[in-house]
Amino acid sequence: GAVVSQHPSWVICKSGTSVKIECRSLDFQATTMFWYRQFPKQSLMLMATSNEGSKATYEQGVEKDKFLINHASLTLSTLTVTSAHPEDSSFYICSATAAGEQFFGPGTRLTVL
Amino acid sequence: GQNIDQPTEMTATEGAIVQINCTYQTSGFNGLFWYQQHAGEAPTFLSYNVLDGLEEKGRFSSFLSRSKGYSYLLLKELQMKDSASYLCAVMDSNYQLIWGAGTKLIIKP
Repeated sequence: GAVVSQHPSWVICKSGTSVKIECRSLDFQATTMFWYRQFPKQSLMLMATSNEGSKATYEQGVEKDKFLINHASLTLSTLTVTSAHPEDSSFYICSATAAGEQFFGPGTRLTVL
Repeated sequence: GQNIDQPTEMTATEGAIVQINCTYQTSGFNGLFWYQQHAGEAPTFLSYNVLDGLEEKGRFSSFLSRSKGYSYLLLKELQMKDSASYLCAVMDSNYQLIWGAGTKLIIKP
């Protein structure tokens, strides 16, 4: 099946720094990628929909200037958490669609000190 | 390698009971999640099991056996709205989520 990878898998950073998370579709091209955030034992919260070559569509309540999304190619989307704060600590998961199916990445655990 | 197996598709009748199985082989174990996903929507959290046994939440129950690398999601009194994909995901020792391919559940009247 299709594989989606994320890098890094785990990151710890100081408050005020920026962190970039990469999402790659390894064996297929994905015109659309999704970014989710998961709080403990809660649903995946959709943050934004990323379309290759165009601006991302953010869900209500998600700050687009804080969570920068770039979908530069058909196999790569990046999420940059700018000026991270402890409340941004969470599990960030991306997914990519291919032939109508959605494939999820393994997630990135962000801890902001 | 790490692997999650669940059936691709299941069909059940409204009002009946269905059990969706999930077997896993992962590097370590930090819990197993079940999600429900309707077409075009984000997955919805259903359950989290980290200890062996059965967790019941209304019409949905989830069971885990760590020694067998096995879990199931039990849906009772099926309703048409339960038609969805059900995703099994295991968090490994590095706190990475390993996803199953999902089971498409079709409910017939």
